[in-house]
Amino acid sequence: QQQVKQSPQSLIVQKGGIPIINCAYENTAFDYFPWYQQFPGKGPALLIAIRPDVSEKKEGRFTISFNKSAKQFSLHIMDSQPGDSATYFCAASITGANNLFFGTGTRLTVIP
Amino acid sequence: DGGITQSPKYLFRKEGQNVTLSCEQNLNHDAMYWYRQDPGQGLRLIYYSQIVNDFQKGDIAEGYSVSREKKESFPLTVTSAQKNPTAFYLCASSDPRGSSGRTYNEQFFGPGTRLTVL
Repeated sequence: QQQVKQSPQSLIVQKGGIPIINCAYENTAFDYFPWYQQFPGKGPALLIAIRPDVSEKKEGRFTISFNKSAKQFSLHIMDSQPGDSATYFCAASITGANNLFFGTGTRLTVIP
Repeated sequence: DGGITQSPKYLFRKEGQNVTLSCEQNLNHDAMYWYRQDPGQGLRLIYYSQIVNDFQKGDIAEGYSVSREKKESFPLTVTSAQKNPTAFYLCASSDPRGSSGRTYNEQFFGPGTRLTVL
């Protein structure tokens, strides 16, 4: 059973557009929600993360929006660039429990 | 230069053979993980280890085995019992206590090993 559901599976935007990737979870014990970025042939790398005590976190062009009541969180990429083309994974975990539960990934393509 | 290394980058195996994938980290992390990545399925946890000489099965442990004899090393063996082993394998580590100053539960990934069964 998928603990974290991610959509869409793939996304194509023009340069400068704002792609949005959505994730949903059921386990209310989750208290850490990271996003990972993965380029082809490489391992994922942490992009940005949020805890449920805030509704939004911004780092550069990347923003996480978090809706605790709806058990949903999303990644927004402002002014997207071709270099942002990658696969993005959302994840969730419980502090101290080690394990990360990953979404199925979104392949983003930014067209010049 | 701290990080996680995996070797080899590419590995070819004949059916019926066991192969071992290497994972080494010099981040002084207690926890290490093995994931399998298939197209459209995200990352699935195979095994994880929270401390030396201890490890736990993940969601898809059948056909795999691990050992954790040293803190910095967590090799994964893909046995002949694994029916569909062709995949991209990722190793990760984390510091659950947060003593590194980084975010709790952040997992650092290696570059991966692509295994192909011929």
